[in-house]
Amino acid sequence: GESVGLHLPTLSVQEGDNSIINCAYSNSASDYFIWYKQESGKGPQFIIDIRSNMDKRQGQRVTVLLNKTVKHLSLQIAATQPGDSAVYFCAELHNAGNMLTFGGGTRLMVKP
Amino acid sequence: SAVISQKPSRDICQRGTSLTIQCQVDSQVTMMFWYRQQPGQSLTLIATANQGSEATYESGFVIDKFPISRPNLTFSTLTVSNMSPEDSSIYLCSVDRNSLNTEAFFGQGTRLTVV
Repeated sequence: GESVGLHLPTLSVQEGDNSIINCAYSNSASDYFIWYKQESGKGPQFIIDIRSNMDKRQGQRVTVLLNKTVKHLSLQIAATQPGDSAVYFCAELHNAGNMLTFGGGTRLMVKP
Repeated sequence: SAVISQKPSRDICQRGTSLTIQCQVDSQVTMMFWYRQQPGQSLTLIATANQGSEATYESGFVIDKFPISRPNLTFSTLTVSNMSPEDSSIYLCSVDRNSLNTEAFFGQGTRLTVV
């Protein structure tokens, strides 16, 4: 069976509802943040990113909010669909390098 | 976007043996990264692979256990040496976003089970 997300916190939402996934980051010097979606058996897939000079960015059905004061990042998914079921990770990029530091991850389960 | 191919996609190996994972990118990139994702956990950076120089390892990871090669700008390998069941993980290759002027891309991962 699939092992990704077995021990991660889980958010369960009804199909059609909005989902909010939260992430706390650690490095105040990080200047770039990314949300990834990881489905079973696949590598992380880019969803949306945001730079530290912004506090909000919108994509298709997704919005990322950045609160630098409390070092908090959130991903909002509108009208959640069964295909959104996956594990979601936030990642921060330190401006001194190109490697990403990942948050713990949240498993999103969408109930039909 | 970049296409990153990893081989093998999965393997079951005996303890004490070694496995080499390959990562091929369809574009030249400056840096390639190797991550480990243990069961039910997030991704942890193992090392950064630079072409023409030794890999840079993160705390908790050593070259003897995870030797890395980077012979050119589109290819890298990660070897998991003298494997134990604790090495059972997904191993992921990623590339330098600045080389591609875009977000970091990942391969599909290699699922390793050590028995």
